[in-house]
Amino acid sequence: EDKVVQSPLSLVVHEGDTVTLNCSYEVTNFRSLLWYKQEKKAPTFLFMLTSSGIEKKSGRLSSILDKKELFSILNITATQTGDSAVYLCAETNFGNEKLTFGTGTRLTIIP
Amino acid sequence: DTGVSQDPRHKITKRGQNVTFRCDPISEHNRLYWYRQTLGQGPEFLTYFQNEAQLEKSRLLSDRFSAERPKGSFSTLEIQRTEQGDSAMYLCASSSGTVANEQFFGPGTRLTVL
Repeated sequence: EDKVVQSPLSLVVHEGDTVTLNCSYEVTNFRSLLWYKQEKKAPTFLFMLTSSGIEKKSGRLSSILDKKELFSILNITATQTGDSAVYLCAETNFGNEKLTFGTGTRLTIIP
Repeated sequence: DTGVSQDPRHKITKRGQNVTFRCDPISEHNRLYWYRQTLGQGPEFLTYFQNEAQLEKSRLLSDRFSAERPKGSFSTLEIQRTEQGDSAMYLCASSSGTVANEQFFGPGTRLTVL
């Protein structure tokens, strides 16, 4: 069965710091890896990665996928208090349509 | 608003009662998904529709749960004879069915079973 493991489970940093969140996966017939941000509501889509080594970037957030080592990282530079949230990683495969999520990393930014 | 919408946003019910939730997907999306999320966990897949056809169901979806998408647009999720363990956030997502399967989530319905 597909599995997604995120680390760390929680992280507390000061505003302005740079953070790296990790996501490793085990999946048969991998299709894509997705990152979501979840505050006190539903997950908000951040990135979708399908190819190794190609960085996706949006403002201060960036993400990259390594399909050989089966992991992805999400980087946030110059963190702000508005970045405080749970960051979820999920994968899909070609065998079905569901997203399989990790348990998330809870990021807290201290002013 | 052209995003995924869900109704109600909150539901409190007594154990043993039936509840029904509604999801309206993004209008051009033909795929619709239901997930359940409990505290401290990521969302867990429940079921998936392509147009009006229910194509996948998780083993989490017991006989007390039923989902429909009668006209391939909105969907309903019904839970019969609710139990305290059903308390969770029920999330709906939709996608356009591209190869990479990018899913967009609604605000969720938070169910509390007393």
